[in-house]
Order: sequence, then C-alpha cells, then structure tokens
Amino acid sequence: EAGVAQSPRYKIIEKRQSVAFWCNPISGHATLYWYQQILGQGPKLLIQFQNNGVVDDSQLPKDRFSAERLKGVDSTLKIQPAKLEDSAVYLCASQADRAYNEQFFGPGTRLTVL
Amino acid sequence: SQKIEQNSEALNIQEGKTATLTCNYTNYSPAYLQWYRQDPGRGPVFLLLIRENEKEKRKERLKVTFDTTLKQSLFHITASQPADSATYLCAPENRDDKIIFGKGTRLHILP
Repeated sequence: EAGVAQSPRYKIIEKRQSVAFWCNPISGHATLYWYQQILGQGPKLLIQFQNNGVVDDSQLPKDRFSAERLKGVDSTLKIQPAKLEDSAVYLCASQADRAYNEQFFGPGTRLTVL
Repeated sequence: SQKIEQNSEALNIQEGKTATLTCNYTNYSPAYLQWYRQDPGRGPVFLLLIRENEKEKRKERLKVTFDTTLKQSLFHITASQPADSATYLCAPENRDDKIIFGKGTRLHILP
C-alpha cells in the first residue's frame, strides 16, 4: 500500500511571496488533514477535509492560507503572502472513513521564509 | 483552554531499561488517546490507541495506560533499544474526532 505523498519536500521563499504544497493521500481514505509543525512543537491542525468538504478550518489563517481538495482525492495548501512566522514543516495526513482510526502522515514539506 | 503536557526535557535511558513517557492533559475529556513516533525529517507514525474505558493496552514491547481520573497517560517501552530513539507524541482525541498533539518527548536510548 503506497503511503501519503507530498511535494515539494523543501521550499525556500522570500516573505510576501506565494507558495503551494500538494498532497496525495492513501487511496480510498476519505479524511485528509493539513498540519503545521513548528520546530520543537507538535503538529497543529490547519484544516480537515471529509471527502471534498471542509470539516474543520477553525485554526486556518484564512487571510493568507487556503486549501482545497478537488474530487475528494488530492489536496493543495496555499500561502499568499507568506510571512516569516510561516516557516515550518507542513504535514499532510489521511485517515480511513471510520472514526478514531490512526492517521497516516506524509513526509512533510519544510518551508523556509526569508 | 485545553492543554497537553509531555516531559518537557529529553529523556536519556540506558539500553535494556524501561523508558516511561508521561502525557498530562487539562480542560479536556478525551474519549481516546493516541501515541505516535516521529523521527527527524519524517512524519509521525501511529503506535497505539487506547480508549477511555481501557486501563492498559500492549503491543509487543510497548505499553500504554490511560487514567481519566488523573488525566494522564503513560507510555512505556520495555527492553529499550537504540533504535527506539525518537520523539514520541501524545494525541488525545475528543468524541467529535478533534485530536490535539502534544509537543512530544525526545527519547534517547544510550548503548
């Protein structure tokens, strides 16, 4: 079974630039999450999708962050414009369509904003 | 506000001994609690899930306890090995599927 794929693995941008991250979850997994993990911290949920609908985006800074999951499969997370404090690892995770199942994480995208 | 506390400092354990990691939570009544392992440069990997009505769960050399009165979970690795060195994340989960991750505890198993 293929795991969660993310790209790019690394990205360096200047502040005020835009950036986009891509995630391909495990086939058949209905739930998809985007997390932000700052160095030394645990993952912080940004947005949760169930198929192509948003379940929770209460912690997503909507003035600069946006995410979509077209056709309920792949997802993209965008930051526009980026700030220095957005430097972090962005993790994508997927979960099968049952409550309280484990989450499968991708390798993450490390973003550095200069 | 909901708060999760894990051993704030790194934990150094001699190989072969039992490593015990602590997770305390406040203003929270999780129905489930998950533990994940995270290696540098990688995403977290699921280890164990324990339900609120379970006192203890085991998987090979791993054991998790869940005390809803003390609002605490303990994570044990017996016969620890250098390969167990990693960061371990505690993640309580509410009945509405909301999960919050702790900061994690860095564990070093010394040969």
